[in-house]
Amino acid sequence: AQKVTQAQTEISVVEKEDVTLDCVYETRDTTYYLFWYKQPPSGELVFLIRRNSFDEQNEISGRYSWNFQKSTSSFNFTITASQVVDSAVYFCALSELSSGSARQLTFGSGTQLTVLP
Amino acid sequence: SQTIHQWPATLVQPVGSPLSLECTVEGTSNPNLYWYRQAAGRGLQLLFYSVGIGQISSEVPQNLSASRPQDRQFILSSKKLLLSDSGFYLCAWSVKGQGVGSYEQYFGPGTRLTVT
Repeated sequence: AQKVTQAQTEISVVEKEDVTLDCVYETRDTTYYLFWYKQPPSGELVFLIRRNSFDEQNEISGRYSWNFQKSTSSFNFTITASQVVDSAVYFCALSELSSGSARQLTFGSGTQLTVLP
Repeated sequence: SQTIHQWPATLVQPVGSPLSLECTVEGTSNPNLYWYRQAAGRGLQLLFYSVGIGQISSEVPQNLSASRPQDRQFILSSKKLLLSDSGFYLCAWSVKGQGVGSYEQYFGPGTRLTVT
């Protein structure tokens, strides 16, 4: 069965520091999809990125970057020069091709990031 | 563009009372629809999903039920609420996965339910 582990429950950094959020996944599928979501205090989950298992290129979007490594089953998320507005709970999630057209997501338990001014 | 609505935003209900939460999506057709619950402590639990009208799949046995009477409407119900039903309920939609493609889920603003 699929599983997503976010071992860091809470992280606290000072503004402008870089921070990496870890995500380790387990799946038997050879085709799968990984996601990161942000949940600010308002509660609504905001989609950040989707990565397919057959595309191992890392991605950078502004201050955000993602490092996908199939060899270690990890999909880590780095925020560069963190800002107070980055404070939120961040979720990593996995979807498998074998789940059919529904493509259900399995979420990690989330990492609470607090950026202090 | 697509928009997802949920209501009510907050709800306080006594134990044993019925529940009806509604979710509607605009700007897309034939979406997958999902209901999640997030209890205190952050974990997201998939409750139900639907790939079409009248097609409901349950992930967790409980006293909740779901229905999809229209293509872009998803309803979460209960006949008698339990204290353990308290939580933050999130509805989401996605484009159907086809071939080897997959798409992200987009979430609504959520309903905060407190059962007293």
